[in-house]
Amino acid sequence: GAVVSQHPSWVICKSGTSVKIECRSLDFQATTMFWYRQFPKQSLMLMATSNEGSKATYEQGVEKDKFLINHASLTLSTLTVTSAHPEDSSFYICSARADYLYEQYFGPGTRLTVT
Amino acid sequence: QQPVQSPQAVILREGEDAVINCSSSKALYSVHWYRQKHGEAPVFLMILLKGGEQKGHEKISASFNEKKQQSSLYLTASQLSYSGTYFCGTASSGAGSYQLTFGKGTKLSVIP
Repeated sequence: GAVVSQHPSWVICKSGTSVKIECRSLDFQATTMFWYRQFPKQSLMLMATSNEGSKATYEQGVEKDKFLINHASLTLSTLTVTSAHPEDSSFYICSARADYLYEQYFGPGTRLTVT
Repeated sequence: QQPVQSPQAVILREGEDAVINCSSSKALYSVHWYRQKHGEAPVFLMILLKGGEQKGHEKISASFNEKKQQSSLYLTASQLSYSGTYFCGTASSGAGSYQLTFGKGTKLSVIP
């Protein structure tokens, strides 16, 4: 149980374009979903927290107009990187938790490369 | 504030034991342990809640000392599959907060 999927697993895009990443909880309803960013050999940095039906809460330093998060249903959250630049290249990972759980379950991640 | 993990890296031979520590300067409500293999997402290992409990699953166990705001992950009789980077994630607020702050990770390499 507690399976989270992400799509796509990797994407290469040109500078200035937008990219959408989907995060789905497959076998549970995710009350809360989290979006993280991880640079090579570094830790997981929380970008934002989203609750179903509410606006996402962004961490300090994360541009909410650049990283658009939508949590439209209890099983789906999306992260859109708008006007992507090479410095946005990273490993983006989502996690989800059910209302009755403390722990978070992570998706497999999306590797974004902006050229 | 990011929890501090130690050691940063450790190399073990199969069958040896290891301890990974995680400490915080803030009062903790819960500590979460994950293992991440290269290029993959973190895999949940266990969670410890305020109350100083200890948990275990087969050869991996953990403890949480809330007075010292420390948690330790114990790996006994290590196997090759234990290799990876171990992260602790901490939640400082009460039961209503589920945001985690992760340490920098401990890279564990198990060799034959």
